[in-house]
Amino acid sequence: AQSVTQPDIHITVSEGASLELRCNYSYGATPYLFWYVQSPGQGLQLLLKYFSGDTLVQGIKGFEAEFKRSQSSFNLRKPSVHWSDAAEYFCAVGGGGTGTASKLTFGTGTRLQVTL
Amino acid sequence: GAGVSQSPRYKVAKRGQDVALRCDPISGHVSLFWYQQALGQGPEFLTYFQNEAQLDKSGLPSDRFFAERPEGSVSTLKIQRTQQEDSAVYLCASSWTSGGRYNEQFFGPGTRLTVL
Repeated sequence: AQSVTQPDIHITVSEGASLELRCNYSYGATPYLFWYVQSPGQGLQLLLKYFSGDTLVQGIKGFEAEFKRSQSSFNLRKPSVHWSDAAEYFCAVGGGGTGTASKLTFGTGTRLQVTL
Repeated sequence: GAGVSQSPRYKVAKRGQDVALRCDPISGHVSLFWYQQALGQGPEFLTYFQNEAQLDKSGLPSDRFFAERPEGSVSTLKIQRTQQEDSAVYLCASSWTSGGRYNEQFFGPGTRLTVL
């Protein structure tokens, strides 16, 4: 069964500092990997996704993530954090293809706090 | 509308009451998913529809949970005889389906259910 581990429950960084959020996955085939952000009272917004090809993917809001098959990881990074980035971040894995195979399995999330 | 909408946004129910949660997917989206997000956790898959057909309900936690999408657009998640452990945010997501290609899921803002 597929699973996602986000080892950091809560991270605090200073505005302007760099950020890395960790994500490890377990999946029996080539994974489809996602990072979502959730602000309080809001739905999930897709930051970026990896399907195949270049292992470094760029997303919205200046975020990027690198897929490392050998480490089963898909860590999210941002060079300089803004106060508006404070939110909950979820890593997710989905099966390739369509239909129910594409249901997502989420990690437990990392709450990011940004200090001024 | 432009995105996935859900209603009500907040619902308070007394234990034992029945509730119905509505999801309006993006127009034309074939696939529709329901997820349950408990406090401090990531979303967990409940059920999946392709048009009006419910193809996967493996995530529904008990037979008190029932979902339908009779005309292949709007979906309703019904919970009978609510229990305190049903308290959670219920998220709906929709996506296009085209043969063999994974499609991004777009999430609604969720319905926060509190069972007293």
